[in-house]
Amino acid sequence: GIQVEQSPPDLILQEGANSTLRCNFSDSVNNLQWFHQNPWGQLINLFYIPSGTKQNGRLSATTVATERYSLLYISSSQTTDSGVYFCAVEPNSGNTGKLIFGQGTTLQVKP
Amino acid sequence: NAGVMQNPRHLVRRRGQEARLRCSPMKGHSHVYWYRQLPEEGLKFMVYLQKENIIDESGMPKERFSAEFPKEGPSILRIQQVVRGDSAAYFCASSPNQGFNEQYFGPGTRLTVT
Repeated sequence: GIQVEQSPPDLILQEGANSTLRCNFSDSVNNLQWFHQNPWGQLINLFYIPSGTKQNGRLSATTVATERYSLLYISSSQTTDSGVYFCAVEPNSGNTGKLIFGQGTTLQVKP
Repeated sequence: NAGVMQNPRHLVRRRGQEARLRCSPMKGHSHVYWYRQLPEEGLKFMVYLQKENIIDESGMPKERFSAEFPKEGPSILRIQQVVRGDSAAYFCASSPNQGFNEQYFGPGTRLTVT
């Protein structure tokens, strides 16, 4: 099946710093989503981005489907950005819509 | 527009009891997905349902687990005779159509088996 790899696994930032999180996937996809799991365990939808670039405030994402990767940019990080960031893809094969998740990047933003 | 609702948010069961987790999709969504997050692990797909139909249950354990999405009412994930290894966060997601659509997640149910 499709492999989804996220890097780095862990990241510690000082408040105000910028960061880039990466998601590589091994096969073509119909759908790609980025999520933030906050310290209370809730999954927050960040982006639905099977291709192209989107921006929402301090966050932006780019997916290059032909090269099978996506990037999540966090600018001017805040302590509330702490948590785990997941990338999830819907494989092109099978077409049942199920999402395959990466292992996540754990981000800690220090004041 | 209410989001995906899950209840209960926290559930404690003794070994051998049954656990019932409920999920109400977003209004207008007829596709429901269940995922499980075991401690220190990522999220894993369990089952995909449409109204009255199981479409893909390739991620469901073969025994003790079942899911349904009746014509009326919420989707139910049922775990019979729970064991400690079932302790996890169970998330439900919904989408308006199959595939090529954003999935919206509920807040999850945290199951603890004592």
